[in-house]
Amino acid sequence: KQEVTQIPAALSVPEGENLVLNCSFTDSAIYNLQWFRQDPGKGLTSLLLIQSSQREQTSGRLNASLDKSSGRSTLYIAASQPGDSATYLCAVYNNNDMRFGAGTRLTVKP
Amino acid sequence: EPEVTQTPSHQVTQMGQEVILRCVPISNHLYFYWYRQILGQKVEFLVSFYNNEISEKSEIFDDQFSVERPDGSNFTLKIRSTKLEDSAMYFCASTTERGGTQYFGPGTRLTVL
Repeated sequence: KQEVTQIPAALSVPEGENLVLNCSFTDSAIYNLQWFRQDPGKGLTSLLLIQSSQREQTSGRLNASLDKSSGRSTLYIAASQPGDSATYLCAVYNNNDMRFGAGTRLTVKP
Repeated sequence: EPEVTQTPSHQVTQMGQEVILRCVPISNHLYFYWYRQILGQKVEFLVSFYNNEISEKSEIFDDQFSVERPDGSNFTLKIRSTKLEDSAMYFCASTTERGGTQYFGPGTRLTVL
């Protein structure tokens, strides 16, 4: 059974800092990996999707990498802003279901 | 920009009652999903639905749960006899293709008393 782990569980940084969120998964037979943002009491917003054949994806200040063989992905956020404060979820997709990590709660202080 | 909508935003029910949670996926999407998130816990996959049938379901999705796409626009999740432990946020999601980016609705908060 696929298990997804995210480290750290919480992170607090000053505005402007670059940061890395980590995700690991136990079964490398994945179709893709998706990073989401979740604001308190709200739904999930997709940030980036990496297909299993890809190594990375970029969108603005966000860059996600995937190392399928080692079961790892990272989300890099450049020049963090207070508006980036949210919980970031990693999810792996295979066989029509998606398994989520518990998330990293990010706080960016002005 | 098209979005997934869900109603109601909050549903309160008594244990043992049936509830139906409603979702309107993005109109040209073909794959539909339900997830739940118990307060403070991970988002958990419940079921995926394509071509008017269930594609995959998790161990959580037992005989108390059912899904339906009754009219080509709505996608519903029914819980036949709610239990206290069904209290959670329920999210609907949709996508155009298998493994595509999933777009989530804002969720329905279900409270079972």
